[in-house]
Amino acid sequence: GAVVSQHPSRVICKSGTSVKIECRSLDFQATTMFWYRQFPKKSLMLMATSNEGSKATYEQGVEKDKFLINHASLTLSTLTVTSAHPEDSSFYICSAEGTGGINGYTFGSGTRLTVV
Amino acid sequence: GENVEQHPSTLSVQEGDSAVIKCTYSDSASNYFPWYKQELGKRPQLIIDIRSNVGEKKDQRIAVTLNKTAKHFSLHITETQPEDSAVYFCAAIPGNTPLVFGKGTRLSVIA
Repeated sequence: GAVVSQHPSRVICKSGTSVKIECRSLDFQATTMFWYRQFPKKSLMLMATSNEGSKATYEQGVEKDKFLINHASLTLSTLTVTSAHPEDSSFYICSAEGTGGINGYTFGSGTRLTVV
Repeated sequence: GENVEQHPSTLSVQEGDSAVIKCTYSDSASNYFPWYKQELGKRPQLIIDIRSNVGEKKDQRIAVTLNKTAKHFSLHITETQPEDSAVYFCAAIPGNTPLVFGKGTRLSVIA
């Protein structure tokens, strides 16, 4: 089945620095990637939808200048948390949708970001 | 847009008993309803799904029912085991848009 790889799985960074999270589709071409954020004991909240080669579509309330999404190829999308602050600490997870019936219901392994 | 309500938020059952989690959705265009199991710190894992042209689907101890008229669907776990303890999320998809998740149910199976 479709495999979505996400790295890193855990990252600790200092306030003010930037962190990049990668999401790769390993055995299919991902035309669309979805980025979710999950607070402890909460549900997954969609942050943005990225389509290969075009600008991401952000959900209401998500700062696009803070959460930079790049989907430069059909197998890779990145989420960069810029000028991170402790309140950005969260579990970030991606899922990918591709061609040939590969749907966006398979998730990456997630990244736990801790900003200190 | 779509809104998915999930109940209960927490559920404790004795090992061997059944567990039922219910979800309602608002968008009649929704046509796909997956259920995910998420263990602490891990990705959600799809455990069962149902499409709008089917009323019930079963996979061993897990079953899902769908009532399109009432816009609700339920997850049934029979003969629960301690390893069933996790957070379960329902979701709905209106057309080609991303998943809309329920708030989750923390299931505890007590041995």
